[in-house]
Amino acid sequence: QVQLVESGGGLVQPGGSLRLSCAASGFVFSDHYMSWVRQSPEKGLEWLAYITGRDSSVYYSNSVKGRFTISRDNGENSLYLQMNSLTADDTAIYYCVRRIYYHSGSNFDLWGQGALVTVSS
Amino acid sequence: DIRMTQSPSSLSASVGDRVTITCRASQSISNSLNWYRQKPGKAPELLIYAASILQSGVPSRFSGSGSGTDFTLTISSLQPEDFSTYYCQESYFAPYTFGQGTKLESK
Repeated sequence: QVQLVESGGGLVQPGGSLRLSCAASGFVFSDHYMSWVRQSPEKGLEWLAYITGRDSSVYYSNSVKGRFTISRDNGENSLYLQMNSLTADDTAIYYCVRRIYYHSGSNFDLWGQGALVTVSS
Repeated sequence: DIRMTQSPSSLSASVGDRVTITCRASQSISNSLNWYRQKPGKAPELLIYAASILQSGVPSRFSGSGSGTDFTLTISSLQPEDFSTYYCQESYFAPYTFGQGTKLESK
């Protein structure tokens, strides 16, 4: 079954850290770019970062650059998001997403169920 | 960053209706435009990519058109499961901005 399953969400205090994990199954994980996308009522859907399939090159949105780190373990079919210096603005549902390239762009064709991260004292 | 503006923000319709949602980019994005549907409490799902290509498994009642800055998503005959929120997304430049969403409600 082709799926992505996130884990690691929860309540964290402002200034704290949290690490999200995403377990992939049903497809050749190492063949695919992967991303993290979050959703909040205030900001809507927001792409955060992507990582390439085999050489793990990374790219971040300006909103999380320097605070969040995306990584992967192809042997474990897993994607990670290390989040540091969290603020209330980071409160959101975080989705693990597979990114597919086509001739003129890319899309997010497979989404996990989401992990809720709440930043509050 | 490219800004994506959807209209309307909300829409009331009935089963069997034909509906159209529009998405405008702040600059030309060629056909690098995707559409997603998000059912309540669920993750978004890809409907259309490259402005007009139907994702595998998506019903043919969905169609997309447009290029440059103006795009449309059309649902030819609404089904009960289509009362959801729809998002456009550009894939031309990072940060691959999403529109603010169009909530489709039952009349």
